[in-house]
Amino acid sequence: AQSVTQLGSHVSVSEGALVLLRCNYSSSVPPYLFWYVQYPNQGLQLLLKYTSAATLVKGINGFEAEFKKSETSFHLTKPSAHMSDAAEYFCAVNNQGGKLIFGQGTELSVKP
Amino acid sequence: DTEVTQTPKHLVMGMTNKKSLKCEQHMGHRAMYWYKQKAKKPPELMFVYSYEKLSINESVPSRFSPECPNSSLLNLHLHALQPEDSALYLCASSRQRSRQETQYFGPGTRLLVL
Repeated sequence: AQSVTQLGSHVSVSEGALVLLRCNYSSSVPPYLFWYVQYPNQGLQLLLKYTSAATLVKGINGFEAEFKKSETSFHLTKPSAHMSDAAEYFCAVNNQGGKLIFGQGTELSVKP
Repeated sequence: DTEVTQTPKHLVMGMTNKKSLKCEQHMGHRAMYWYKQKAKKPPELMFVYSYEKLSINESVPSRFSPECPNSSLLNLHLHALQPEDSALYLCASSRQRSRQETQYFGPGTRLLVL
């Protein structure tokens, strides 16, 4: 069975500070991993995805994530937080049937 | 264009009503999904259609009835819902029902059952 675990249900950073959102996965096969962002009262928007082509994946809005097989991690980072980054972030793994399995989500707050 | 549209944006219904949610995509995707999302929780898969055929039903109560009339359209028919069914209902689509494909989500329909 595949699963993802997001460490920290809430992360707060200051504007301009580094953003680090943690995601660890469990998978018996090479995983396909995704990060989605959800702004209040909206649907989910894809930030980036890992499909084994490269371990460092660059996404939209300055976010990137690094796949580390030895640590079973796929943490999301952004060098400098902006107020507009405040949202809920979901890490997900796609299983054999195309079913997305989500982590519990991390709410990112950005302080001025 | 990676747009999935959903109507209505908001819906309030009584427990005896019948209503439908609509989802549309024009990206040529052959897989479409319904998810239910409660507040402060991740989306939970309800149904998956692949090439207009129901592929996955995650043991959803029969008061939810999905329909895929064509490759661009997905409906969710609602009947005799309960207050605990109040949630954000998200539709998504992908090129195929496979692990490496990205699912693109619509903005959702926020449902309130009174």
